[in-house]
Amino acid sequence: DGGITQSPKYLFRKEGQNVTLSCEQNLNHDAMYWYRQDPGQGLRLIYYSQIVNDFQKGDIAEGYSVSREKKESFPLTVTSAQKNPTAFYLCASSIRRARGTEAFFGQGTRLTVV
Amino acid sequence: AQTVTQSQPEMSVQEAETVTLSCTYDTSESDYYLFWYKQPPSRQMILVIRQEAYKQQNATENRFSVNFQKAAKSFSLKISDSQLGDAAMYFCAYRSARDDKIIFGKGTRLHILP
Repeated sequence: DGGITQSPKYLFRKEGQNVTLSCEQNLNHDAMYWYRQDPGQGLRLIYYSQIVNDFQKGDIAEGYSVSREKKESFPLTVTSAQKNPTAFYLCASSIRRARGTEAFFGQGTRLTVV
Repeated sequence: AQTVTQSQPEMSVQEAETVTLSCTYDTSESDYYLFWYKQPPSRQMILVIRQEAYKQQNATENRFSVNFQKAAKSFSLKISDSQLGDAAMYFCAYRSARDDKIIFGKGTRLHILP
C-alpha cells in the first residue's frame, strides 16, 4: 500500500536533547512538508522540500533542521534551540507542480519533552 | 507572504441542517489552489474539497460545496444535510502554484448536535 509513514507515534525526550522524527513515503512524490500542530494554532509550516537536496524554511523554522538526501525520506530534527518543542508533528507529501493536487498526510508524531 | 484566516474557532449545527465555514486568504499570486481538509479525533488529515483559482466554477463534492470569490479572496465551505460523522476540525489551506508551499488556517471545530 502506498502512503506516508511517520515514526514513532509517540516520542518522549528530555529537555536539551535533540530528537529526530522520521517521515517516509512510497508515493513517488517530489514535494514533502513538515507541520507543527498546537491547540488553537492550526498547522504551521516548519520546512518544505520540492526536490531532493533542496528545502525551504517555512513560517516557524527556528529550532528545527531537515535533510532531503532521498526522495522517499524527509527527517525532521528538533534541536535543543527549539524553546517549546512539545507538540503534534505532521508530515505530508505531494506531487510537485501538478494542478490541483493535494497533500497527503502521515498519522503524525506526538512529541513530549520533559 | 501568503496568509489564511479562519475567523470561526468553533461552530455548531443541528443534524440534517446546513452550515457554512468561512475562510479568507491573502496573496499576491494569481495562480494557486485552495483546499478544505477535515481532521477527526483520530487526527488523520482528510481532503474534503479542492478549488483551482483559475476555475470560476465552484467545486462540489456530494454534500460539500464551496463559495469561491477570487476578488474578495474568500473560500467558504458549505456542508449540507450535516451528519454526526461531520464533527471534526476543518482546515482551509492555500497552495502556491509557484513554489508548492502549502499553508493552513487555524481551523474551525465543528460540532454536530443530534
